[in-house]
Amino acid sequence: EVQLVESGGGLVKPGGSLRLSCAASGFTFSSYSMNWVRQAPGKGLEWVSSISSSSSYIYYADSVKGRFTISRDNAKNSLYLQMNSLRAEDTAVYYCAREGVVAAALDYWGQGTLVTVSS
Amino acid sequence: VIWMTQSPSLLSASTGDRVTISCRMSQGISSYLAWYQQKPGKAPELLIYAASTLQSGVPSRFSGSGSGTDFTLTISCLQSEDFATYYCQQYYSFPQTFGPGTKVDIK
Repeated sequence: EVQLVESGGGLVKPGGSLRLSCAASGFTFSSYSMNWVRQAPGKGLEWVSSISSSSSYIYYADSVKGRFTISRDNAKNSLYLQMNSLRAEDTAVYYCAREGVVAAALDYWGQGTLVTVSS
Repeated sequence: VIWMTQSPSLLSASTGDRVTISCRMSQGISSYLAWYQQKPGKAPELLIYAASTLQSGVPSRFSGSGSGTDFTLTISCLQSEDFATYYCQQYYSFPQTFGPGTKVDIK
């Protein structure tokens, strides 16, 4: 069974940093591209970042470029999101999601971890 | 950036109804479109990818159509468990983008 479990969320002050993790199991993690998607309270979904299976290709939303860094450790079956210079507008539930092989739609999602940026 | 609109933003319907949600792109994306369902407090779930391919395990009352700039999600016979918010997503190019969502609630 495919499982994605996020952790690392919490309350952080504006300008602070946080590192999210996503532990993957039930599939060959090293074969799949992975993504982070976020959802601000009461709002819609916003794609944040994507990383290819071997980390060769990395993409970011303009809203986080230069502040967030996506990475992965295939030996540990883990995906990460390092978030620096956090702003109030980064407050959201952050989901990790697997990209399908047949099509790049997001076929499995974690339960999400809440990041709150507030003083 | 490819911009997306969804209509309607809110759809009130009854169990058994046929409902249709539209998604329009600011530029053509071939068939690189997915539909997701999200229930309150839960992660989104993939319903359809490649505009019209049903994800494994998704009931056949869900269907998708369209290509280029105009896409449609249809629920042929609305069930109680279908009351949720639906999002379209383009994965034709980065940044990937989601539509603003359509909430389907009980009339």
